[in-house]
Amino acid sequence: EAGVTQSPTHLIKTRGQQATLRCSPISGHTSVYWYQQALGLGLQFLLWYDEGEERNRGNFPPRFSGRQFPNYSSELNVNALELEDSALYLCASSLAGLDSGGDEQYFGPGTRLTVT
Amino acid sequence: RKEVEQDPGPFNVPEGATVAFNCTYSNSASQSFFWYRQDCRKEPKLLMSVYSSGNEDGRFTAQLNRASQYISLLIRDSKLSDSATYLCVVNILGGFQKLVFGTGTRLLVSP
Repeated sequence: EAGVTQSPTHLIKTRGQQATLRCSPISGHTSVYWYQQALGLGLQFLLWYDEGEERNRGNFPPRFSGRQFPNYSSELNVNALELEDSALYLCASSLAGLDSGGDEQYFGPGTRLTVT
Repeated sequence: RKEVEQDPGPFNVPEGATVAFNCTYSNSASQSFFWYRQDCRKEPKLLMSVYSSGNEDGRFTAQLNRASQYISLLIRDSKLSDSATYLCVVNILGGFQKLVFGTGTRLLVSP
């Protein structure tokens, strides 16, 4: 069974540009989560999508947005990139959403975004 | 107080040693708990869920203490391949439901 996939693996952008990151969940998983992991720091929750809707977001500015498509894949968009947005962006999927009591999340390999 | 706290380590242990990590959480309403393992510059991988009764998977044992609000991970007979960062994860239920990751405890197993 294929795991969570993310693309691209690496992305280099300059300040002020926009970045689009993509994620495909494990087949049968409807919930997708996005996390940011800056170098040397822990995972910070960004967004949670379930059944095509944004269910919750972390403490990030509105220039971080995304969506979930009918096939449950997801896209994370970061507008007006800043240097501190450089990080590993991880996508995870689960069978059920957090409000079911929390199901295990499985992570993709991440997209390493570098903003210069 | 942080929602989830872990000792960052590193814990340096020889092969074959037994090592234990604790993780404390602040929200008493938390209901789901997990341990993940993360290798350098890789994605976190689920190690085990933590159940109220405690659970064991081979050399790994996880325990939950709700009264004191901590979870633990015990690794017996440490292997070189166990060297990694171990992340404690808590499902914070309530008005703002989310998984909160600890910053991790680094384990280094040496020959």
